[in-house]
Amino acid sequence: NAGVTQTPKFRVLKTGQSMTLLCAQDMNHEYMYWYRQDPGMGLRLIHYSVGEGTTAKGEVPDGYNVSRLKKQNFLLGLESAAPSQTSVYFCASSPGGLRGMQYFGPGTRLTVT
Amino acid sequence: SQQGEEDPQALSIQEGENATMNCSYKTSINNLQWYRQNSGRGLVHLILIRSNEREKHSGRLRVTLDTSKKSSSLLITASRAADTASYFCATDADGANSKLTFGKGITLSVRP
Repeated sequence: NAGVTQTPKFRVLKTGQSMTLLCAQDMNHEYMYWYRQDPGMGLRLIHYSVGEGTTAKGEVPDGYNVSRLKKQNFLLGLESAAPSQTSVYFCASSPGGLRGMQYFGPGTRLTVT
Repeated sequence: SQQGEEDPQALSIQEGENATMNCSYKTSINNLQWYRQNSGRGLVHLILIRSNEREKHSGRLRVTLDTSKKSSSLLITASRAADTASYFCATDADGANSKLTFGKGITLSVRP
């Protein structure tokens, strides 16, 4: 069991470039989440999904899009990266609903110059 | 906001000592969770305590919840250098479609 994996681990983008972060989980969890973690801000929810084919906005969704075409994968896209999107991005999944215990991936460190 | 707030922001103790970290929140919750994050890694779930529970144990961890004071504490007994990490509390508000909200975290340093 790999748990939750994220690719890539590190990325540097120039302002205006686009990219997709991939999250995969092999635990058959229904719920998946994307967070960003910034110094002094804790974790903030960007988007989440309650099942294959569904997505919903979290606390800070602007500038990001997501897709959940397969149950095991949750993609986070940045269409036109901005320096304010420099952050560490974490994917998580949970089996038991939005309030349950979450399993986190190792994170992706993104720098936008 | 439902966000839990941890206290203190940073804590430094000697190996073998106990570490106590606190979390306060603002509105009624269904449950409260604690997570650990080692440097450069993802969060790892430690323990979940429900609103109708007052205390829970897991190994060297003891969590208490006081819903009247809207606060929780995480006690790590006989700390080890390997306990050095950031610790986060996460709460979910009472109500449908409520999601977890994480605090800003406490940085714990355990000196060998």
